[in-house]
Amino acid sequence: AQRVTQPEKLLSVFKGAPVELKCNYSYSGSPELFWYVQYSRQRLQLLLRHISRESIKGFTADLNKGETSFHLKKPFAQEEDSAMYYCAPLGTNAGKSTFGDGTTLTVKP
Amino acid sequence: ETGVTQSPTHLIKTRGQQVTLRCSSQSGHNTVSWYQQALGQGPQFIFQYYREEENGRGNFPPRFSGLQFPNYSSELNVNALELDDSALYLCASSSGGGGFTYEQYFGPGTRLTVT
Repeated sequence: AQRVTQPEKLLSVFKGAPVELKCNYSYSGSPELFWYVQYSRQRLQLLLRHISRESIKGFTADLNKGETSFHLKKPFAQEEDSAMYYCAPLGTNAGKSTFGDGTTLTVKP
Repeated sequence: ETGVTQSPTHLIKTRGQQVTLRCSSQSGHNTVSWYQQALGQGPQFIFQYYREEENGRGNFPPRFSGLQFPNYSSELNVNALELDDSALYLCASSSGGGGFTYEQYFGPGTRLTVT
């Protein structure tokens, strides 16, 4: 069965500090890996996906197939990064799709 | 370009009743996915529709059913409501050939309360 673990429910850092949101997954096959974000009073939206290898809003995510991890990182957190972040290994086979339970990131001034 | 819309915003039903939730996909999108999000949890995949056919299903019982129409809008139907069905129901649309290769655009959700 597919499973995603985001070990930190809550994560708090100071502005300018590095931040890492952890994601570990178990998945049969090769999923597409995504991070979705939900800012306060906004809809869930795509932050980045592994396949595009883009850096969005300063965030990057490194896929480690050996550890089956897809941690999200940013070297210098900003207050506007405060949000709920969901890791999502999603399958090209739609039946194999799941989101993690999310990490609430708070960036303090 | 119109985003994903869902109706109603919220509703209250009694255990055993039936409910229909609606979703209008973003213009140009042919794939719609439905999710259930319980409080404090991530979205759980219910099923996906691609070109009016079910294109994958999560671990939800048959009393959760759906439809997609020629204009790619969609409905989620839940029969014999149970208290545990209380949740936020999210609809997401995407382009492409089904699956999750492409970015999903989420609606605001419908909050269902079952009493």
